[in-house]
Amino acid sequence: EPEVTQTPSHQVTQMGQEVILRCVPISNHLYFYWYRQILGQKVEFLVSFYNNEISEKSEIFDDQFSVERPDGSNFTLKIRSTKLEDSAMYFCASSESQRQGYTFGSGTRLTVV
Amino acid sequence: GENVEQHPSTLSVQEGDSAVIKCTYSDSASNYFPWYKQELGKGPQLIIDIRSNVGEKKDQRIAVTLNKTAKHFSLHITETQPEDSAVYFCAASPHTGGFKTIFGAGTRLFVKA
Repeated sequence: EPEVTQTPSHQVTQMGQEVILRCVPISNHLYFYWYRQILGQKVEFLVSFYNNEISEKSEIFDDQFSVERPDGSNFTLKIRSTKLEDSAMYFCASSESQRQGYTFGSGTRLTVV
Repeated sequence: GENVEQHPSTLSVQEGDSAVIKCTYSDSASNYFPWYKQELGKGPQLIIDIRSNVGEKKDQRIAVTLNKTAKHFSLHITETQPEDSAVYFCAASPHTGGFKTIFGAGTRLFVKA
């Protein structure tokens, strides 16, 4: 069964450093998403991406965040200057069409120290 | 924007009993309602979904119901098994506002053998 692949599985970074979280969505999917989940809490929407541009973003997704699809397979989330409160599990997801169920990756646990 | 409330936050049942998780949504134009199961250390996995033109959908031991008038939808798991133990999230996709899906806070289900 096709999978969404995320790397790394765990990243520890110093406060103020830049991090890039990487995702390989399912190859025939057209819609891409980033969500985050602070330990034990709800899954929060960050950003959706379609046709090589952001289609929607939440208030969490401020100027410190950016997304990119640098080639035909990767989808990245960059946090420019990490803060302690950015510590969370970050999930990438993709879907074949609008308003269809997502396929999530296994997540990247980001720890900012 | 859309808000999804989910109850209960924790549910403990005996193996073989039924489990019911309830959600409400605020945006009457939402038209797609997926349910996800999240096991420890993994990303959410789509288990069933329902669209607003349908009142009920069933897949083996899992069923979902939707009441558009009351803006309620529910997940029913019958003949629960220990492997059903996980966190379950309901979600809703608003009709407007891009392609995001808004998640409920989650229900931690324990099935006791």
